[in-house]
Amino acid sequence: GENVEQHPSTLSVQEGDSAVIKCTYSDSASNYFPWYKQELGKRPQLIIDIRSNVGEKKDQRIAVTLNKTAKHFSLHITETQPEDSAVYFCAAAIQGAQKLVFGQGTRLTINP
Amino acid sequence: GAVVSQHPSRVICKSGTSVKIECRSLDFQATTMFWYRQFPKKSLMLMATSNEGSKATYEQGVEKDKFLINHASLTLSTLTVTSAHPEDSSFYICSAGSGRAPNEQFFGPGTRLTVL
Repeated sequence: GENVEQHPSTLSVQEGDSAVIKCTYSDSASNYFPWYKQELGKRPQLIIDIRSNVGEKKDQRIAVTLNKTAKHFSLHITETQPEDSAVYFCAAAIQGAQKLVFGQGTRLTINP
Repeated sequence: GAVVSQHPSRVICKSGTSVKIECRSLDFQATTMFWYRQFPKKSLMLMATSNEGSKATYEQGVEKDKFLINHASLTLSTLTVTSAHPEDSSFYICSAGSGRAPNEQFFGPGTRLTVL
């Protein structure tokens, strides 16, 4: 089955700098790659997603890139702010399957 | 749009009792809902996929007689933890397929279960 690896497990950056979180997946049939942000004790919130027919997607300070050949995708956050501090999860879904397979999560801390 | 609610948000129960958790899609119909379990500082572990009007599909290692799932309508799925024990204490989160796009899911706020 699908396996998703996420790195790093923790990331600390200075406010205003950029943060990058990377994920790799194992099943080349995967075609949907969402990113979720989860604050302590709260629900995961979908912040951006990408499908395999595009290589990059951007929404204001957040962007996701996908390399299907290498089977990896990355989350990029620019001009980081303290409210970006949270745990971020990547996930992958195989075409035709309903479920998401999640990465291990990255705890992002933005230092003022 | 795509709001998912979950009730209760917190529950404390005695060992041996059963606890029911409800997951509702408030402004859309969800033919598919998912139940996850999350341990502190860990990722989301899928327990089962719930399809309206049919039996749930459980992930390997999840006891279907322990975690009963019912998806009787397009807006409601329930998870019942039967004969709960302290090791069942966890954060349980549901999600619902949005129906707007394949695989897109929106999560409920979660239920913190503590079994004494």
